[in-house]
Amino acid sequence: QVQLAESGGGLVKPGGSLRLSCAGSGFSFSDYFMTWIRQAPGKGLEWLSYISSSGTTIYYADSVKGRFTVSRDNNKNSLNLQMNSLRVEDTAVYFCARGESAFIDAFDMWGQGTVVTVSS
Amino acid sequence: SYELTQPLSVSVALGQTARITCGGHNIGGENVHWYQQKPGQAPVLVIYRDNNRPSGIPERFSGSNSRDMATLTISRAQDGDEADYYCHVWDSSTYVVFGGGTKLTVL
Repeated sequence: QVQLAESGGGLVKPGGSLRLSCAGSGFSFSDYFMTWIRQAPGKGLEWLSYISSSGTTIYYADSVKGRFTVSRDNNKNSLNLQMNSLRVEDTAVYFCARGESAFIDAFDMWGQGTVVTVSS
Repeated sequence: SYELTQPLSVSVALGQTARITCGGHNIGGENVHWYQQKPGQAPVLVIYRDNNRPSGIPERFSGSNSRDMATLTISRAQDGDEADYYCHVWDSSTYVVFGGGTKLTVL
């Protein structure tokens, strides 16, 4: 079954850290770029980060640059997001998504999302 | 930074045609993608590169893009089409841009 599945969400205090993972299955993971996108409660979609299929090119949104780090392990078909210095405003559902060609293609598959709550 | 503007809400009578717009400077020169998101679910791609439907998306969904406006058109609207819809483009400086989203209500 072709799918993406996020894990690692939870409740964390402001200033804390959390590591999200996204497992790909049923497709050639290394052929796709991957992104992280989040959605705060009742809000729209916010793109966070991009990592190329090989992992050599990485981009971040200004809102998370310097605090979040994206990585991937193509041998394990996995994508990770290390989130440090978390803030209350980072509370959201976090989705991973894939695409074929950066700056051209859509995100043709999304995971179901994992919930991150930052609260004291 | 590049911005995409969508109406907050659009209403359509059952069986009629809904049009959801996505405005942006010279958006006609960009590839526009559209996602449908139902409550509690992940977004689903419904239109890619302006006017292409992924496998499994009904022909009732179509897209167009010209000058400063892209449009998602849903013909013969059904109750199951009620959802939030987001447009998306790539931008050289901010990389990924989403519109603010439009809530479609089928009356």
